Amino acid sequence: EDQVTQSPEALRLQEGESSSLNCSYTVSGLRGLFWYRQDPGKGPEFLFTLYSAGEEKEKERLKATLTKKESFLHITAPKPEDSATYLCAVHQGGSEKLVFGKGTKLTVNP
Amino acid sequence: ETGVTQTPRHLVMGMTNKKSLKCEQHLGHNAMYWYKQSAKKPLELMFVYNFKEQTENNSVPSRFSPECPNSSHLFLHLHTLQPEDSALYLCASSQDTGGNIQYFGAGTRLSVL
Repeated sequence: EDQVTQSPEALRLQEGESSSLNCSYTVSGLRGLFWYRQDPGKGPEFLFTLYSAGEEKEKERLKATLTKKESFLHITAPKPEDSATYLCAVHQGGSEKLVFGKGTKLTVNP
Repeated sequence: ETGVTQTPRHLVMGMTNKKSLKCEQHLGHNAMYWYKQSAKKPLELMFVYNFKEQTENNSVPSRFSPECPNSSHLFLHLHTLQPEDSALYLCASSQDTGGNIQYFGAGTRLSVL
């Protein structure tokens, strides 16, 4: 059973069309939730870490939020350069692992 | 530039070859990781090293052999691979284990013929 589920699998937006990506998790004792961005042919690039429900973090057009069951990555007025695969990962207490979701591939058309 | 460098970037090998992947981090971190990334699958953790000691082997077949001579360098030795081992192999480092932010290299794209 997947511990981290991301939806949608793929998302196409027009430039300026705001939307949200979802990451739901089933681990207990969450120690941290991480968002990464991955461009084709590159490794994941760290974006945010969230540690507790209600926490929010922002960076340019991106805003990450966290509840007890899921996280959202809100993209406001996206630009074509925001096109990438966005990965979510959780760290469960008592483990050294980050458990990753399959990612959401975002395409922003001009 | 993330401070984590992987070489080579691309590798094609036959099933009987022996090759090695190299990872070097310039971040002063104590923990290093190998991940496998295949299409349509989540990143799969393979190995974790903390202060040069292997702390996790995620049921990886013995045809993959890691080596960590110091906290800055990590190798993945490959031998007798199968076509299904073709994937992007990513190295990451973090300050230490336990949920710290992991910084990734660009990966080695491996094709096994």
